[in-house]
Amino acid sequence: LAKTTQPISMDSYEGQEVNITCSHNNIATNDYITWYQQFPSQGPRFIIQGYKTKVTNEVASLFIPADRKSSTLSLPRVSLSDTAVYYCLVGAISSGSARQLTFGSGTQLTVLP
Amino acid sequence: EAGVTQFPSHSVIEKGQTVTLRCDPISGHDNLYWYRRVMGKEIKFLLHFVKESKQDESGMPNNRFLAERTGGTYSTLKVQPAELEDSGVYFCASSGAMSSYNEQFFGPGTRLTVL
Repeated sequence: LAKTTQPISMDSYEGQEVNITCSHNNIATNDYITWYQQFPSQGPRFIIQGYKTKVTNEVASLFIPADRKSSTLSLPRVSLSDTAVYYCLVGAISSGSARQLTFGSGTQLTVLP
Repeated sequence: EAGVTQFPSHSVIEKGQTVTLRCDPISGHDNLYWYRRVMGKEIKFLLHFVKESKQDESGMPNNRFLAERTGGTYSTLKVQPAELEDSGVYFCASSGAMSSYNEQFFGPGTRLTVL
């Protein structure tokens, strides 16, 4: 399994764009990059997933360079409610979505007023 | 659509007692997973059901843990006898055929405290 490295914590202010970078130097050819968000006292929640280049949805963007050894989760104009732990996961796609997830330590994002 | 639910939300038991955690996945989801986070550690995979069958139980720590999924609907995770190191938050997740790859829907977790 590819090991991921993320900053332990980040602070930001409301309205700013936040970029959280994850390193995954030994990512395999068939690995996808997935990000989850977790609020206190809740389970993790899927945010976004990608394989290469850029993926955007209504919540975030995911930038993946050509070598795929890192990825950056971008949250536009964060608010206080975006304060959470963000996990970067790397893993292969097997039969549909039927696969265990491997979580790292995550990044605690704190949005300040 | 109802999400994944877990019961109880909290459980406090003494060492040596038995506790049973329950998970109700999203209706129609064939895949059900159990994870846990013990104090200060990362979220770790325990096991994976496909319908009523155990697909992967490589993460189960020892034979004090028993998971079942009767009829392929809800699942239970029994810890017997509980030890101090079993304290932590137990998460259940489910996914279905229409889920995006690696997208699992998590419940709020059961916080287990063993005294």
